[in-house]
Amino acid sequence: EAGVTQSPTHLIKTRGQQVTLRCSPISGHTSVYWYQQALGLGLQFLLWYDEGEERNRGNFPPRFSGRQFPNYSSELNVNALELEDSALYLCASSFVFEQFFGPGTRLTVL
Amino acid sequence: AQSVSQHNHHVILSEAASLELGCNYSYGGTVNLFWYVQYPGQHLQLLLKYFSGDPLVKGIKGFEAEFIKSKFSFNLRKPSVQWSDTAEYFCAVATQWSWGNTGKLIFGQGTTLQVKP
Repeated sequence: EAGVTQSPTHLIKTRGQQVTLRCSPISGHTSVYWYQQALGLGLQFLLWYDEGEERNRGNFPPRFSGRQFPNYSSELNVNALELEDSALYLCASSFVFEQFFGPGTRLTVL
Repeated sequence: AQSVSQHNHHVILSEAASLELGCNYSYGGTVNLFWYVQYPGQHLQLLLKYFSGDPLVKGIKGFEAEFIKSKFSFNLRKPSVQWSDTAEYFCAVATQWSWGNTGKLIFGQGTTLQVKP
């Protein structure tokens, strides 16, 4: 069974730009979660999508947004990038409670 | 504020030594508890979970954890570690609204375990 996949693996952007990260959940999973793992801050919950709707979001500004498509894949969009957005962005999926994580996208903002 | 605290940031053990990693959480409601492991070069994997019932839960690779509600703790244990257990370990709490799951996992800062052969 294929796990959670994320693309791209690495990304370099400059301050002020916009970025889109992508996630494909495990087959049969309807929920997708996004987390940010920034240096020194640990894993922070960003967003939860289920059945195409945003169900919960963490303490992040509105320039962090996303969506979930009918095939349950998801995008995370970050507008007006700031230096502190440099982090590993992890996607997870679940059918019920257990969240299964992907390998992450490493974003560097210069 | 809701939080998870892992007592040890870096643990070094010799093979066959016993392991106990501490985890305390700060949350008054219903919780589901998890331990995740991240082996070098790999992504986060679920080691074990507690939802309800027997507070002593067993996971993969010989790991177990005990939920002590009165102490808000969920410590991870293994009687005899192997070199292949070298990894980073994360404790996590899933919080609940009154009507259901919030979808949010609160993670501890992680503990790096180094096992010397």
